[in-house]
Amino acid sequence: QSALTQPPSASGSPGQSVTISCTGTSSDVGGFNYVSWYQQPPGKAPKVMIYEVSKRPPGVPDRFSGSKSDNTASLTVSGLQAEDEADYYCSSYGGSNNLVFGGGTKLTVL
Amino acid sequence: EVQLVESGGGLVQPGRSLRLSCAASGFTSGDYAMHWVRQAPGKGLEWVSSISWNGGTIAYADSVKGRFTVSRDNAKNSLYLQMNSLRVEDTAFYYCAKDMHYSISGSEGIDYWGQGTLATVSS
Repeated sequence: QSALTQPPSASGSPGQSVTISCTGTSSDVGGFNYVSWYQQPPGKAPKVMIYEVSKRPPGVPDRFSGSKSDNTASLTVSGLQAEDEADYYCSSYGGSNNLVFGGGTKLTVL
Repeated sequence: EVQLVESGGGLVQPGRSLRLSCAASGFTSGDYAMHWVRQAPGKGLEWVSSISWNGGTIAYADSVKGRFTVSRDNAKNSLYLQMNSLRVEDTAFYYCAKDMHYSISGSEGIDYWGQGTLATVSS
């Protein structure tokens, strides 16, 4: 049940694109297409932005996209906006009925 | 509208117990797996426990196994977490969360979260 690895911080200017990585193992990220990404503004509950690696729930802007290659998943935010500033967490099904989360990435819009 | 409302948090001494509840509305809770996820103040998210749609399959993080018990009452649209032998390191906001799938064997991910309830373990 080791946590997935995310960079602690990421940043970009308005209008730019930023990509956040999430590295696991073949037992979690690499073994299943059940990677999700959550956005958590300060003091608020998380909100799902991407599920099953690359699917967007209704209402989530298409500026948010997800992908996966081997044991690493990625979240890309295109056309950065001030409202995108938040903490972002990845999660994956970890096998054996477990869920595993990443340590979180603080996204700053410069 | 899907709503998840947690309750039962508070201040408790190490070694004591606390029972958290989560009231679900806006969906048929018995159709979906549910999770508890916690977040220590200023820290990241940590999975705590999961329960399948009918309570037939349950899983716990190693950090709480043997001390915490998850249960659900679908007739009351409610989820529970009984926390025993609490430790200082259990201090956190506890979130109730709904899965997109009925089973936890191949969880498709969480689509709704509650606002959380704070459990503080301190002497």
